[in-house]
Amino acid sequence: DIQMTQSPSSLSASVGDRVTITCRASRSIRSYLNWYQQKPGKAPKLLIYAASSLQSGVPSRFTGSGSGTDFTLTISSLQPEDFATYYCQQSYSTPSTFGQGTRLEIK
Amino acid sequence: QVTLKESGPVLVKPTETLTLTCTVSGFSLSNARMGVSWIRQPPGKALEWLAHIFSNDEKSYSTSLKSRLTISKDTSKSQVVLTMTDMDPVDTATYYCTRVPDTTSWTFDYWGQGTLVTVSS
Repeated sequence: DIQMTQSPSSLSASVGDRVTITCRASRSIRSYLNWYQQKPGKAPKLLIYAASSLQSGVPSRFTGSGSGTDFTLTISSLQPEDFATYYCQQSYSTPSTFGQGTRLEIK
Repeated sequence: QVTLKESGPVLVKPTETLTLTCTVSGFSLSNARMGVSWIRQPPGKALEWLAHIFSNDEKSYSTSLKSRLTISKDTSKSQVVLTMTDMDPVDTATYYCTRVPDTTSWTFDYWGQGTLVTVSS
Protein backbone atom coordinates (compact mmCIF):
# COMPACT_ATOMS: atom_id res chain seq x y z
CA ASP A 1 0.00 0.00 0.00
CA ILE A 2 1.13 3.57 -0.64
CA GLN A 3 1.74 5.47 2.60
CA MET A 4 0.79 9.15 2.81
CA THR A 5 2.50 11.39 5.36
CA GLN A 6 1.30 14.89 6.13
CA SER A 7 3.10 17.65 7.95
CA PRO A 8 2.57 19.32 10.23
CA SER A 9 0.03 17.33 12.24
CA SER A 10 -1.34 20.56 13.64
CA LEU A 11 -0.91 24.21 12.89
CA SER A 12 -1.96 27.43 14.60
CA ALA A 13 -2.55 30.47 12.44
CA SER A 14 -4.44 33.73 12.35
CA VAL A 15 -7.10 35.06 10.01
CA GLY A 16 -5.34 36.51 6.98
CA ASP A 17 -2.27 34.30 7.27
CA ARG A 18 -0.88 32.26 4.42
CA VAL A 19 -0.46 28.61 5.36
CA THR A 20 1.01 25.59 3.64
CA ILE A 21 0.43 21.92 4.38
CA THR A 22 2.62 19.25 2.87
CA CYS A 23 1.92 15.66 1.91
CA ARG A 24 4.45 13.05 0.90
CA ALA A 25 3.76 9.71 -0.78
CA SER A 26 5.90 6.64 -0.18
CA ARG A 27 6.34 6.24 -3.93
CA SER A 28 5.45 8.21 -7.02
CA ILE A 29 1.76 8.85 -7.53
CA ARG A 30 2.27 11.21 -10.46
CA SER A 31 -0.46 13.87 -9.97
CA TYR A 32 -3.05 11.56 -8.43
CA LEU A 33 -3.43 13.51 -5.22
CA ASN A 34 -6.56 14.97 -3.68
CA TRP A 35 -7.15 17.29 -0.74
CA TYR A 36 -10.18 17.27 1.55
CA GLN A 37 -11.40 19.61 4.28
CA GLN A 38 -13.28 18.24 7.28
CA LYS A 39 -15.05 20.26 9.93
CA PRO A 40 -16.09 18.74 13.28
CA GLY A 41 -19.04 16.41 12.98
CA LYS A 42 -19.16 16.73 9.19
CA ALA A 43 -18.14 14.59 6.24
CA PRO A 44 -14.97 15.50 4.37
CA LYS A 45 -15.34 17.85 1.44
CA LEU A 46 -13.29 17.60 -1.73
CA LEU A 47 -11.23 20.74 -2.26
CA ILE A 48 -8.60 19.89 -4.87
CA TYR A 49 -8.23 16.92 -7.19
CA ALA A 50 -5.42 15.84 -9.49
CA ALA A 51 -2.96 17.77 -7.32
CA SER A 52 -3.92 21.24 -8.54
CA SER A 53 -7.48 21.33 -9.92
CA LEU A 54 -9.96 23.26 -7.82
CA GLN A 55 -13.27 21.48 -7.19
CA SER A 56 -16.30 23.47 -8.29
CA GLY A 57 -17.40 26.00 -5.69
CA VAL A 58 -14.14 25.99 -3.74
CA PRO A 59 -12.66 29.47 -3.17
CA SER A 60 -9.60 30.38 -5.20
CA ARG A 61 -7.55 31.05 -2.05
CA PHE A 62 -6.98 27.28 -1.98
CA THR A 63 -4.24 26.06 -4.30
CA GLY A 64 -2.55 22.72 -4.69
CA SER A 65 0.74 21.83 -6.28
CA GLY A 66 3.23 19.03 -6.66
CA SER A 67 3.76 15.78 -8.48
CA GLY A 68 5.56 12.52 -7.95
CA THR A 69 5.91 12.15 -4.19
CA ASP A 70 5.71 15.70 -2.79
CA PHE A 71 2.63 17.88 -2.68
CA THR A 72 1.42 21.05 -0.99
CA LEU A 73 -1.88 22.68 -0.15
CA THR A 74 -1.71 26.43 0.32
CA ILE A 75 -4.38 28.72 1.68
CA SER A 76 -3.44 32.24 0.64
CA SER A 77 -5.38 34.26 3.21
CA LEU A 78 -7.06 32.31 5.99
CA GLN A 79 -10.71 32.95 6.60
CA PRO A 80 -12.60 31.99 9.78
CA GLU A 81 -14.38 29.17 7.97
CA ASP A 82 -11.06 27.57 6.94
CA PHE A 83 -10.22 26.34 10.43
CA ALA A 84 -10.67 22.60 10.02
CA THR A 85 -8.73 19.39 9.48
CA TYR A 86 -7.21 18.75 6.06
CA TYR A 87 -6.45 15.35 4.56
CA CYS A 88 -4.51 14.35 1.50
CA GLN A 89 -5.42 11.17 -0.38
CA GLN A 90 -3.67 9.30 -3.14
CA SER A 91 -5.98 8.40 -6.00
CA TYR A 92 -3.32 6.57 -8.01
CA SER A 93 -4.03 3.00 -7.00
CA THR A 94 -6.09 0.78 -4.74
CA PRO A 95 -6.21 0.60 -1.89
CA SER A 96 -6.60 4.34 -1.84
CA THR A 97 -4.91 5.81 1.22
CA PHE A 98 -5.15 9.02 3.22
CA GLY A 99 -2.71 11.07 5.20
CA GLN A 100 -3.15 11.29 8.96
CA GLY A 101 -4.58 14.81 8.73
CA THR A 102 -3.48 18.34 9.58
CA ARG A 103 -5.54 20.20 12.13
CA LEU A 104 -5.60 23.93 11.45
CA GLU A 105 -6.43 25.94 14.55
CA ILE A 106 -6.99 29.58 15.32
CA LYS A 107 -4.04 31.26 17.00
CA GLN B 1 -28.56 16.84 -7.03
CA VAL B 2 -26.27 14.04 -5.89
CA THR B 3 -26.90 12.68 -2.41
CA LEU B 4 -25.82 9.62 -0.47
CA LYS B 5 -27.24 8.51 2.85
CA GLU B 6 -26.01 5.79 5.15
CA SER B 7 -28.27 3.74 7.38
CA GLY B 8 -27.77 0.90 9.80
CA PRO B 9 -27.41 0.10 13.48
CA VAL B 10 -25.79 2.57 15.85
CA LEU B 11 -24.71 -0.17 18.25
CA VAL B 12 -23.44 -3.66 17.59
CA LYS B 13 -21.97 -6.26 19.95
CA PRO B 14 -18.53 -7.75 19.59
CA THR B 15 -18.42 -10.71 17.16
CA GLU B 16 -21.65 -9.60 15.47
CA THR B 17 -21.96 -8.75 11.79
CA LEU B 18 -22.53 -5.14 10.77
CA THR B 19 -24.74 -4.37 7.79
CA LEU B 20 -24.81 -0.83 6.42
CA THR B 21 -26.86 0.50 3.53
CA CYS B 22 -26.06 3.48 1.35
CA THR B 23 -28.98 4.92 -0.61
CA VAL B 24 -27.97 7.20 -3.45
CA SER B 25 -29.84 9.69 -5.59
CA GLY B 26 -28.93 12.02 -8.42
CA PHE B 27 -26.92 9.37 -10.26
CA SER B 28 -27.28 5.75 -11.30
CA LEU B 29 -25.23 2.86 -9.95
CA SER B 30 -25.13 1.52 -13.51
CA ASN B 31 -23.35 4.61 -14.92
CA ALA B 32 -20.17 3.44 -16.63
CA ARG B 33 -16.95 4.04 -14.64
CA MET B 34 -18.89 5.35 -11.67
CA GLY B 35 -18.92 3.55 -8.38
CA VAL B 36 -19.39 3.79 -4.63
CA SER B 37 -16.82 3.37 -1.90
CA TRP B 38 -17.12 2.95 1.85
CA ILE B 39 -14.70 4.84 4.10
CA ARG B 40 -14.56 4.88 7.88
CA GLN B 41 -13.13 7.17 10.53
CA PRO B 42 -12.60 6.13 14.16
CA PRO B 43 -13.27 8.97 16.61
CA GLY B 44 -10.45 11.51 16.43
CA LYS B 45 -8.54 9.51 13.86
CA ALA B 46 -7.86 9.50 10.14
CA LEU B 47 -9.88 8.21 7.23
CA GLU B 48 -9.60 4.62 6.09
CA TRP B 49 -10.88 3.33 2.74
CA LEU B 50 -12.71 0.00 3.08
CA ALA B 51 -14.31 -1.20 -0.14
CA HIS B 52 -15.55 -0.19 -3.57
CA ILE B 53 -18.10 -1.49 -6.04
CA PHE B 54 -17.86 -0.66 -9.72
CA SER B 55 -20.70 -0.14 -12.16
CA ASN B 56 -20.02 -3.57 -13.69
CA ASP B 57 -20.34 -5.14 -10.20
CA GLU B 58 -16.62 -5.75 -9.73
CA LYS B 59 -15.44 -5.22 -6.19
CA SER B 60 -12.28 -4.06 -4.48
CA TYR B 61 -11.41 -4.36 -0.78
CA SER B 62 -9.00 -3.04 1.80
CA THR B 63 -6.01 -5.33 2.05
CA SER B 64 -6.19 -5.61 5.82
CA LEU B 65 -9.96 -6.08 6.10
CA LYS B 66 -10.67 -8.09 2.96
CA SER B 67 -11.57 -11.28 4.80
CA ARG B 68 -14.29 -9.51 6.81
CA LEU B 69 -15.91 -7.30 4.17
CA THR B 70 -18.53 -7.83 1.51
CA ILE B 71 -19.91 -5.09 -0.71
CA SER B 72 -22.90 -5.44 -3.00
CA LYS B 73 -25.45 -3.30 -4.77
CA ASP B 74 -29.05 -3.27 -5.86
CA THR B 75 -29.19 -0.93 -8.84
CA SER B 76 -32.99 -0.93 -8.97
CA LYS B 77 -33.13 0.35 -5.39
CA SER B 78 -30.10 2.67 -5.80
CA GLN B 79 -28.50 1.01 -2.78
CA VAL B 80 -25.05 -0.23 -1.88
CA VAL B 81 -24.66 -2.58 1.06
CA LEU B 82 -21.55 -3.20 3.13
CA THR B 83 -21.25 -6.07 5.57
CA MET B 84 -18.43 -6.45 8.06
CA THR B 85 -18.17 -9.62 10.08
CA ASP B 86 -16.74 -10.29 13.52
CA MET B 87 -17.04 -6.72 14.79
CA ASP B 88 -14.63 -5.55 17.49
CA PRO B 89 -14.52 -2.39 19.63
CA VAL B 90 -11.67 -1.10 17.42
CA ASP B 91 -14.21 -1.01 14.56
CA THR B 92 -16.07 1.78 16.34
CA ALA B 93 -16.13 4.55 13.77
CA THR B 94 -18.18 6.81 11.57
CA TYR B 95 -18.83 4.99 8.32
CA TYR B 96 -19.23 7.03 5.14
CA CYS B 97 -20.35 6.06 1.68
CA THR B 98 -18.90 8.11 -1.14
CA ARG B 99 -19.26 8.46 -4.86
CA VAL B 100 -16.34 7.83 -7.19
CA PRO B 101 -17.26 9.44 -10.51
CA ASP B 102 -14.42 7.87 -12.47
CA THR B 103 -12.34 4.98 -11.21
CA THR B 104 -9.44 5.84 -13.47
CA SER B 105 -8.77 8.22 -10.60
CA TRP B 106 -10.00 7.39 -7.12
CA THR B 107 -11.55 10.72 -6.19
CA PHE B 108 -14.41 10.86 -3.69
CA ASP B 109 -16.48 13.79 -4.88
CA TYR B 110 -19.69 13.33 -2.87
CA TRP B 111 -20.02 11.95 0.64
CA GLY B 112 -22.89 10.85 2.79
CA GLN B 113 -23.34 12.43 6.20
CA GLY B 114 -21.87 9.35 7.84
CA THR B 115 -23.23 6.99 10.46
CA LEU B 116 -21.54 6.40 13.79
CA VAL B 117 -21.32 2.73 14.71
CA THR B 118 -20.29 1.80 18.24
CA VAL B 119 -19.11 -1.71 19.03
CA SER B 120 -19.75 -2.57 22.65
CA SER B 121 -21.25 -5.32 24.74
